[in-house]
Amino acid sequence: AQTVTQSQPEMSVQEAETVTLSCTYDTSESDYYLFWYKQPPSRQMILVIRQEAYKQQNATENRFSVNFQKAAKSFSLKISDSQLGDAAMYFCVGLYGQNFVFGPGTRLSVLP
Amino acid sequence: DAGVIQSPRHEVTEMGQEVTLRCKPISGHDYLFWYRQTMMRGLELLIYFNNNVPIDDSGMPEDRFSAKMPNASFSTLKIQPSEPRDSAVYFCASSLSGLHRDEQFFGPGTRLTVL
Repeated sequence: AQTVTQSQPEMSVQEAETVTLSCTYDTSESDYYLFWYKQPPSRQMILVIRQEAYKQQNATENRFSVNFQKAAKSFSLKISDSQLGDAAMYFCVGLYGQNFVFGPGTRLSVLP
Repeated sequence: DAGVIQSPRHEVTEMGQEVTLRCKPISGHDYLFWYRQTMMRGLELLIYFNNNVPIDDSGMPEDRFSAKMPNASFSTLKIQPSEPRDSAVYFCASSLSGLHRDEQFFGPGTRLTVL
C-alpha cells in the first residue's frame, strides 16, 4: 500500500518557538519524493520543502527543515522561530512513481 | 464511502484537443476543489466551489480552462484547446463546511499529457 499518515490533526506553538509536525509514509517504491505543503486561509497550496528519497541529507529551507528517516519511513517537519504567518494547514505528500498521495493534514496555530 | 473519485486516471491527447476531467466528491461534502500539480510550480489551486457555486476561480490560468459543478455529486474541469504546457496532474478534493472544512480529501488525480 502507498500511504501517508499525519497523526496530529492539530498543533499549536508559541511565537518564536520551535514545533515539529509528524508524518509517516509507506511505499514499496525505491525512488520517491516527499513534500510538505502549507495551506493558509487563502487556500493556496504553498510548497514548503521537498525531499528526494535517494538523498540522505535532510532538506532545509530557511526556518523549515525535515528529519527524513528512510528506514523508519518517517518525514517530520521542523519549524524554527515560528511566526504568526506560519499558521496554516500543513500537508505531507508522497510522490510514489506517478502517484501523489496526500496526508490528512495538520492544523498549526501560532500563539502570540 | 469510496472517497473522491476522479476520471480518467490518465489522459493523453494532442495539442488543440478538448480535454474534460471529471470528479465525484465524497457524499455530503459541500466544498469541492480543483488543483494542478507540476514539479516546477507545485500544487496550485485552480478553483473551488461551495454548494455547487464557484467561490474563487482566481487560480484558473486562462480562458482555455473552465469548471462546472452542475450538482452536488459531480464536477468537470475542461481545457479547450489544450496545450503541451497544460501537462500536469490534476487533483480534485472535497471537504465539509463548518469546523472540519479545512480537512480536504484528495482524489487520486488525473495525469494529463498533451503532446
